[in-house]
Amino acid sequence: AQRVTQPEKLLSVFKGAPVELKCNYSYSGSPELFWYVQYSRQRLQLLLRHISRESIKGFTADLNKGETSFHLKKPFAQEEDSAMYYCALSGMDTGRRALTFGSGTRLQVQP
Amino acid sequence: EPEVTQTPSHQVTQMGQEVILRCVPISNHLYFYWYRQILGQKVEFLVSFYNNEISEKSEIFDDQFSVERPDGSNFTLKIRSTKLEDSAMYFCATNKEGDYGYTFGSGTRLTVV
Repeated sequence: AQRVTQPEKLLSVFKGAPVELKCNYSYSGSPELFWYVQYSRQRLQLLLRHISRESIKGFTADLNKGETSFHLKKPFAQEEDSAMYYCALSGMDTGRRALTFGSGTRLQVQP
Repeated sequence: EPEVTQTPSHQVTQMGQEVILRCVPISNHLYFYWYRQILGQKVEFLVSFYNNEISEKSEIFDDQFSVERPDGSNFTLKIRSTKLEDSAMYFCATNKEGDYGYTFGSGTRLTVV
């Protein structure tokens, strides 16, 4: 069975502070990990995937297989980063395309 | 940027009634999905659809649910006899061959009363 855990429901930081949104997963095979973001009243949008190893809007995430983690980081938070962030996993090795989501973390960036 | 379009944005229905939620996928996308999110809970996978058939479904997707792509454009989710616990946000998503990242629609909020 696959599972994604986001331990924080809410993370509140001040503008300019570093941000780390935690994500741990449980999966026996080779996963593909994603971060999705949902701004207020907007649709879920793909933010990052571990395979592409890119930085989007200053966010990065590194897959740590030893710790089974895929934490999302940004060195300096901006007010426009306030949103719901969801970590998600799919079973790349099995060809399963269904995503398993974490419960989400609400990021509040205060001025 | 191409979008996945869902209609209606809100639907209120009486318990026991049938509802059909509609999705227009991005034109070159071949994989279609339905997810739901009950208020305050996780986004949950319901079903995936490829090449005009269900490729995967979750335990939630029981006999009350069905999907089809009747006219080659709309992708629909039908709930035959709605229950109170079907109240949720329903998201359609699509992606291309070889791509595991989805494009989501804006969702349909279903309220069963």
